[in-house]
Amino acid sequence: NAGVTQTPKFQVLKTGQSMTLQCAQDMNHEYMSWYRQDPGMGLRLIHYSVGAGITDQGEVPNGYNVSRSTTEDFPLRLLSAAPSQTSVYFCASRNSYEQYFGPGTRLTVT
Amino acid sequence: GEDVEQSLFLSVREGDSSVINCTYTDSSSTYLYWYKQEPGAGLQLLTYIFSNMDMKQDQRLTVLLNKKDKHLSLRIADTQTGDSAIYFCADGQKFYFGSGTKLNVKP
Repeated sequence: NAGVTQTPKFQVLKTGQSMTLQCAQDMNHEYMSWYRQDPGMGLRLIHYSVGAGITDQGEVPNGYNVSRSTTEDFPLRLLSAAPSQTSVYFCASRNSYEQYFGPGTRLTVT
Repeated sequence: GEDVEQSLFLSVREGDSSVINCTYTDSSSTYLYWYKQEPGAGLQLLTYIFSNMDMKQDQRLTVLLNKKDKHLSLRIADTQTGDSAIYFCADGQKFYFGSGTKLNVKP
């Protein structure tokens, strides 16, 4: 069991570029989510999914898109990167009562 | 998120008890969680409490829940330098997180 995996670990983008952060889980969890972590702000929920084909917005969805075509994968797309999106991004999946986190992607937008 | 609040810092001496507090707003949360994050690492689930419980003990960790006041606390007994980390509480309804409490344990 790999748990929750994320790629890449680190990424530097220029303003205006687009990219996709990958997330996969092998625990057959229906519920997956993306968070961003900024200093002093804790984790803020970007988007979440309660199953394949179903996604919804969290606290800070602007500038990000998600899709969920399979149970295992939940990619996060940055359409046009901005310096304000410099952050550490965590993907998570959960069963009824336990949430598991990936190791994170550290993104810098210059 | 705004729905979950924590104080930002706590400093204790090694061997003392640490108490980290959290308030939440969503009374429909079935579970409430405590996570630990060490520098440069992801989040590790420490413990959780079901909303119909007042207390849960797990080795050195004690979680207290006051549903009336929507207040959650995590007590770490005999705090060690290895407990230095950021501790997050989260509600189990929307999985919103507090801003984290940075625990500094002095030798």
